Amino acid sequence: QSVLTQPPSVSAAPGQKVTISCSGSSSNIGKNYVSWYQQFPGTAPKLLIYDNVKRPSGIPDRFSASKSGTSATLGITGLQTGDEADYYCGTWDSSLSAGVFGGGTKLTVL
Amino acid sequence: EVQLVESGGGLVQPGGSLRLSCAVSGFTFSRNWMSWVRQAPGKGLEWVANIKQDGGETYYVDSVKGRFTISRDNAKNSLFLQMYSLRAEDTAVYYCATLAARQTYDYWGQGTLVTVSS
Repeated sequence: QSVLTQPPSVSAAPGQKVTISCSGSSSNIGKNYVSWYQQFPGTAPKLLIYDNVKRPSGIPDRFSASKSGTSATLGITGLQTGDEADYYCGTWDSSLSAGVFGGGTKLTVL
Repeated sequence: EVQLVESGGGLVQPGGSLRLSCAVSGFTFSRNWMSWVRQAPGKGLEWVANIKQDGGETYYVDSVKGRFTISRDNAKNSLFLQMYSLRAEDTAVYYCATLAARQTYDYWGQGTLVTVSS
């Protein structure tokens, strides 16, 4: 059971927009910054978003994120089949003194 | 170019031990916090441990406390994870990652598979 809660799967058609939620608590998302990671099968995760809303260089602006209270959201617009991957949110939990991740969300582009 | 290369994974019996290494290049290793993150087969990511730049501060997930030790050798640009009393539930791909501010894992290695089985 992950400390952060994500939907197991989301799907949308090419060109459409999708959002992935990440729900936590006052000791993790409510108090600390959130990052998002993209992982293709058999490969290492890749940083997608950091400090709640920032994109590393090279990440297209089709990827965006927000945070409000104890929840965070990743948004992907102009969906492409190449976006099919697992997406994870992560942060620090100040009560646990531990890093925490969501369970991951599998994105399917129909 | 930042590179992280893990090694040391393999098959080990329950109760056994293993030492993972992560060789890094392309950045000033001694200036970075570092982390180990694992992923059990077909499962999600799980944070394992963090270590400060000088090794003087470490954090662990509860399930490995007292069994795993994270360490580093800044002179050799290397990160380690010593694992003792291994259990079946420790079976996973272990990734080393650079830890930027605010618990952001900005660069990842390719991972090394640890299988705990008799």
